[in-house]
Amino acid sequence: DAGVTQSPTHLIKTRGQHVTLRCSPISGHKSVSWYQQVLGQGPQFIFQYYEKEERGRGNFPDRFSARQFPNYSSELNVNALLLGDSALYLCASSRFFSYNEQFFGPGTRLTVL
Amino acid sequence: QQQVKQSPQSLIVQKGGISIINCAYENTAFDYFPWYQQFPGKGPALLIAIRPDVSEKKEGRFTISFNKSAKQFSLHIMDSQPGDSATYFCAASDNAGNMLTFGGGTRLMVKP
Repeated sequence: DAGVTQSPTHLIKTRGQHVTLRCSPISGHKSVSWYQQVLGQGPQFIFQYYEKEERGRGNFPDRFSARQFPNYSSELNVNALLLGDSALYLCASSRFFSYNEQFFGPGTRLTVL
Repeated sequence: QQQVKQSPQSLIVQKGGISIINCAYENTAFDYFPWYQQFPGKGPALLIAIRPDVSEKKEGRFTISFNKSAKQFSLHIMDSQPGDSATYFCAASDNAGNMLTFGGGTRLMVKP
């Protein structure tokens, strides 16, 4: 079975632009979570989606938004990009809402210039 | 607020030695404690996990020790190999969803 897939692999944007990152969970997994990992730090939770509804949100500004589609894939959108948004964005999937075991994708490396 | 503190930040171990990484948490609602291994340019990979109802869990060369009263848990890597060189993250979550709170990471280098 394929693992969690994310696209694109790398992305370079300039300040003020908008970006959309995509994630496909493991087949059969219904929950998708997004994390931001700044270089040299542990991942920070951004969102959890389950059955197309937001079920958790971390301490991130409203410039960050996400959604989940009927096939359980997900998009993370970031508006008005700042230099500090440069990071590895990770998607993790799990079977259910409160099923702890999570599997991460390879991430999307976002660089904001 | 950092709810999971991890130490050391970096660790150098000789091949065949034991690598020990420690974590401490504050939130008593946490009831799931995984360890992730991350290689450069890759996403974190789930290594081993434990729940508070047991004090130790072993999978191959990897062992988690858990001390509920002290709110601490640790990862032991026995017979460390150069291929184990990576960054290791401890994490914790409660049963209200599956938001993981990560420690700051430990960069492990195993010298041949």
